[in-house]
Amino acid sequence: SAVISQKPSRDICQRGTSLTIQCQVDSQVTMMFWYRQQPGQSLTLIATANQGSEATYESGFVIDKFPISRPNLTFSTLTVSNMSPEDSSIYLCSVRLAGVGEQYFGPGTRLTVT
Amino acid sequence: QQQVKQSPQSLIVQKGGISIINCAYENTAFDYFPWYQQFPGKGPALLIAIRPDVSEKKEGRFTISFNKSAKQFSLHIMDSQPGDSATYFCAASRGTGTASKLTFGTGTRLQVTL
Repeated sequence: SAVISQKPSRDICQRGTSLTIQCQVDSQVTMMFWYRQQPGQSLTLIATANQGSEATYESGFVIDKFPISRPNLTFSTLTVSNMSPEDSSIYLCSVRLAGVGEQYFGPGTRLTVT
Repeated sequence: QQQVKQSPQSLIVQKGGISIINCAYENTAFDYFPWYQQFPGKGPALLIAIRPDVSEKKEGRFTISFNKSAKQFSLHIMDSQPGDSATYFCAASRGTGTASKLTFGTGTRLQVTL
């Protein structure tokens, strides 16, 4: 398995500001992902964080709004830019292990935009 | 079609009973089917997963049953306990390599009563 930590665990932000969420994994992993989960809802994939190259975004998500960095095999950041109340959600980092392909999730960052 | 349909939306089971959650998929290319358990305020935790070369996989009180012809798979929780009260998500993907992405069901909120 993999141990994943996220910072911050929660935050309350004002409309129009930006928040950067950090994800750290305890081992080198090939695949890292960012998901959004609105309260009581399922998980929606935002993007795949590619090491050393631009992230791959899913339909409905754009780099200007959700810039992602992945400088190495154990760390990634997701920025939520120019926030609005609609961005209030839980943001989850996820990693997939090579070989067996099991995918694990971090504890999430609960974001509230006022 | 990339959807994974999950039912029921919520489930109440008495302690000691069997909890059954069902999922159905359309994409016949899917070949990896994990289940995740999520407690409030936590990230989803990988519970158990199955590939279509077997019809059943058991880990402790948790069993996945897989019906390839019907394109359905289900999670059975035997001897359900109050500590099993959580939201459960099924998921599916085509492979587990760099190009594969998990498609999640809508979730089932399980409550186990005393």
